[in-house]
Amino acid sequence: QVQLVESGGGVVQPGRSLRLSCAASGFTFSSYAMHWVRQAPGKGLEWVAVISYDGSDKYYADSVKGRFAISRDNSKNTLYLQMNIPTTKDTAVYYCARDMNQWLVRGGWFDPWGQGTLVTVSS
Amino acid sequence: IVMTQSPATLSVSPGERATLSCRASQSVRSNLAWYQQKPGQAPRLLIYDASTRATGIPARFSGSGSGTEFTLTISSLQSEDFAVYYCQQYNNWPPWTFGQGTRVEIK
Repeated sequence: QVQLVESGGGVVQPGRSLRLSCAASGFTFSSYAMHWVRQAPGKGLEWVAVISYDGSDKYYADSVKGRFAISRDNSKNTLYLQMNIPTTKDTAVYYCARDMNQWLVRGGWFDPWGQGTLVTVSS
Repeated sequence: IVMTQSPATLSVSPGERATLSCRASQSVRSNLAWYQQKPGQAPRLLIYDASTRATGIPARFSGSGSGTEFTLTISSLQSEDFAVYYCQQYNNWPPWTFGQGTRVEIK
């Protein structure tokens, strides 16, 4: 079955980098655009970033632009989120999610989602 | 685009009907999805294109609306339906934007 499994979360000091991973299985990963979405403790959902099927097209939320980088390795069926210069405001559960669109980044819904990985930015 | 959900919390008895609202700050046509999230779990897609149920979603869930006003209706609440529900627009992107959520709790 289609499955997304995030890893790499934990406690990180403000300004120290962290890389999250999302391992995909059960579908042709290299055909789909992929997203990261986050949820601060007790809060709602915030879209973070998206990447096209081949990594050529990327978009970011203003809150992370210039600090976070989304990438993918289709040979490993894995999505990444490099978190640079994190602040306490980046503390959240980070979910990866598959876009309904194959190939290019277009407007679409997210399905499925991974179980999430918690990132806590604290000194 | 700002998505606004109401009410923030809805108290409903099992078996009763629940009606959740979502309003967009500008038209999103029918490019709207609904998700369900239970404590400690990831969001799950319920409805896309405003009114199409996702695979495996029970018929008691229905969506309606277009433009700026949308509704998610749960016709007869089951115990497993008590959760937080989010709407999301995918018409104008980036960013993809979510409402702040409606919590459906047991009355």
